[in-house]
Amino acid sequence: QKEVEQDPGPLSVPEGAIVSLNCTYSNSAFQYFMWYRQYSRKGPELLMYTYSSGNKEDGRFTAQVDKSSKYISLFIRDSQPSDSATYLCAPARSNDYKLSFGAGTTVTVRA
Amino acid sequence: DGGITQSPKYLFRKEGQNVTLSCEQNLNHDAMYWYRQDPGQGLRLIYYSQIVNDFQKGDIAEGYSVSREKKESFPLTVTSAQKNPTAFYLCASNQRGTSGSNEQFFGPGTRLTVL
Repeated sequence: QKEVEQDPGPLSVPEGAIVSLNCTYSNSAFQYFMWYRQYSRKGPELLMYTYSSGNKEDGRFTAQVDKSSKYISLFIRDSQPSDSATYLCAPARSNDYKLSFGAGTTVTVRA
Repeated sequence: DGGITQSPKYLFRKEGQNVTLSCEQNLNHDAMYWYRQDPGQGLRLIYYSQIVNDFQKGDIAEGYSVSREKKESFPLTVTSAQKNPTAFYLCASNQRGTSGSNEQFFGPGTRLTVL
């Protein structure tokens, strides 16, 4: 079993729709949860970062962590064509600066 | 501007040849990483280094080698022993030992194609 499971999609939605992305993980020691966005042929960049369980909102983006079920989510409201990218979840342990990456979900927002 | 640079952007190699991918960072980060990305498989860790003159194997180190002689540089050599080297290679760095975010900063990547 992989440490982090993420459906690679692809996911295609119309502009303005809500995009829902999620990952599951197996290691209960994970305490930091990151979402990276990667545009085609580019390096990933950090989009959202949360610590432990709970929600975090940043503009149109909301990250949720449920440690009890080992489930992490990213929601994109009012999606735009510029949101078309691959989104990778990346949980991490405290005091361990290595990250474990999900497979990435490729999202296309149609104008 | 602080950041990570990788060169070349595109690299073509004949079978049986070794090639070296460059990664340089001016973020003063202690730790550096090399990942390989294939379609549908996310990022797989090849090697990482926590400090100068020290490095550890990641999940898929076979057929690869690295060195860390300077804090800002972490070159990756893809050897002829790597059976399927065609992939997108990403270098990253972060600061060792900080509490809180483990954010890694990524370079723009090198696309290696074996002919």
